[in-house]
Order: sequence, then structure tokens, then C-alpha cells
Amino acid sequence: GQNIDQPTEMTATEGAIVQINCTYQTSGFNGLFWYQQHAGEAPTFLSYNVLDGLEEKGRFSSFLSRSKGYSYLLLKELQMKDSASYLCAALDSNYQLIWGAGTKLIIKP
Amino acid sequence: DAGITQSPRHKVTETGTPVTLRCHQTENHRYMYWYRQDPGHGLRLIHYSYGVKDTDKGEVSDGYSVSRSKTEDFLLTLESATSSQTSVYFCAISESEENNEQFFGPGTRLTVL
Repeated sequence: GQNIDQPTEMTATEGAIVQINCTYQTSGFNGLFWYQQHAGEAPTFLSYNVLDGLEEKGRFSSFLSRSKGYSYLLLKELQMKDSASYLCAALDSNYQLIWGAGTKLIIKP
Repeated sequence: DAGITQSPRHKVTETGTPVTLRCHQTENHRYMYWYRQDPGHGLRLIHYSYGVKDTDKGEVSDGYSVSRSKTEDFLLTLESATSSQTSVYFCAISESEENNEQFFGPGTRLTVL
């Protein structure tokens, strides 16, 4: 079956760095997405990786290892507004997104 | 922001009644999706559309039907609502299947009593 695993909840301190991990098992693979979702709101796109390596976009970076079925989202210089859920999703061989349950990130002052 | 709206935004209904949720886009994107989101679960695909009158089932399609008569509108119908269909429903759109970056509507919170 197809599966996405990510931690349910993480806590970090304002100004620090946090890494949210995601492992995936899908039938075929066409890329890995990260979305941010604030409570009560819609998910919004953060990043897309299809090749191995690190993609950096401001304070956020995303890494992919296809051979390991592994990705992480790295958030630097954490701000209170980064408190949200972070959703990992893998694009399978049918170009359908398979979603993880999300990681709730709590930022403390 | 992608132009996607959903209506209604909130609805309370009773078991056994039909319910229709509407998704409207102004982006002219080919692909449209209906998801439900429940605590402890990832987004789960109900149905999707790859063009006018072209739809297919997703992971959790039982009890739901969809229609797409125009590019901009994608309707989700619960023929006879059940309490297990209490959820937050999101519509999403994407321009291409290969990239599949999806843009989401604001969501509809449905409560079935």
C-alpha cells in the first residue's frame, strides 16, 4: 500500500531551527510536496522536489532522497507565525497526491 | 492567490438529506479535486476531474458523486448525508497533472447531525 509518515507534533523555540521529516512509500514516484496549513485555513504550497538534493527558498528548505524514500523540511529563524501544520505529500505513478496526516509545529517564545 | 471559492462555507444538515457543495475557479485550470480532511488523517481524495464532464473516483468516493458541466465549476453531492461525512471539505485546482501543484479553496465545514 501507499503510505506517508511524518511526526504528529513538534515543538521549537522562536529564532531556532527545526527539521520536519517525512518518509514515503508509493507506487511509483513523481515528486514530493510540502504544504503549510494554519489552523482553520486551507493548505498553501511551500515546496516541490523531484530530484535528489536540497532546494532553498528563503527561511525554508526542502530535501529529497529518492533512494531512501525520505524528505525533510527545514525551517530557520523560526517566527511565531510559523506555528502551523506542515503536510508532506508524494505524487505517485498516476500523478495522484498521497498525503501525510501532517505535523503540527508549535513555536514557543 | 488562485481564484477559488467554495460555497457554502459552513453547513449543518440532518442525516438522510442531500447536500451539494460548490467549487468555483477563475483560473481556467483543467484539473479539479475534492478532498475531505479529518483529524488524524491526511487529506483524502474523494473525486477529481480532468476536464468538463471527465471525472474519476478517488480513495474515499463511496456516498459521494460529482459533476463538472463547466470548466469553472465542480460540484460535490452527498446523496444522503451520514454522520460519518461530517468533515471539512476542500476543493483544489491544478494546471497540469505532471507538476500537480495544487491550489486550495477556503474549505467547507459540514456537520451532519
